[in-house]
Amino acid sequence: AQKITQTQPGMFVQEKEAVTLDCTYDTSDPSYGLFWYKQPSSGEMIFLIYQGSYDQQNATEGRYSLNFQKARKSANLVISASQLGDSAMYFCAMREGNSGYSTLTFGKGTMLLVSP
Amino acid sequence: DVKVTQSSRYLVKRTGEKVFLECVQDMDHENMFWYRQDPGLGLRLIYFSYDVKMKEKGDIPEGYSVSREKKERFSLILESASTNQTSMYLCASSLVLNSLSNQPQHFGDGTRLSIL
Repeated sequence: AQKITQTQPGMFVQEKEAVTLDCTYDTSDPSYGLFWYKQPSSGEMIFLIYQGSYDQQNATEGRYSLNFQKARKSANLVISASQLGDSAMYFCAMREGNSGYSTLTFGKGTMLLVSP
Repeated sequence: DVKVTQSSRYLVKRTGEKVFLECVQDMDHENMFWYRQDPGLGLRLIYFSYDVKMKEKGDIPEGYSVSREKKERFSLILESASTNQTSMYLCASSLVLNSLSNQPQHFGDGTRLSIL
């Protein structure tokens, strides 16, 4: 079974609208962390936001927020007021307590296209 | 800011050649990682290293080896390159962390490797 599932291969959104990118995860470990990365067409991976399994509040970083639903094992990324520069691949990733060396498991990604 | 530098953005090699991909980080991170990224498959971990001269296999180590002689440098080696190793290769580094740390992995810009 996949540990990180991103069911949306691609998403389209108009500029200034909000968009939600889905991520579900599978772990039996009570201690884990969830990360979202952005990869523009130039290739670099840019860290966006983090959510820990024991965090009481949903994480926020500027226009990015994480809709964390622990019982559902979902950690959806919400981008408010989309901009043309948000067009990119987005990856959800998980770090589990039993890894020992802080390895990340990545989903297959969602391509977001923002239109004017 | 953490800087992870990969020696080449683009590389073209022939089948059977021995190929070296180099990665250097400037933040004294203990952990370093090599991933390959293929369309529709996301990022897959090839090898990682948690200390000088120490290495661990990731999910897809076959056909690859690594070397870490100095803390800041982590090399990926394709012993005898094959066409199915044509891919985007990403290097990353991080501190030694438990699963609940919010510190991300920091990535280089990637190397697009073509094996002809």
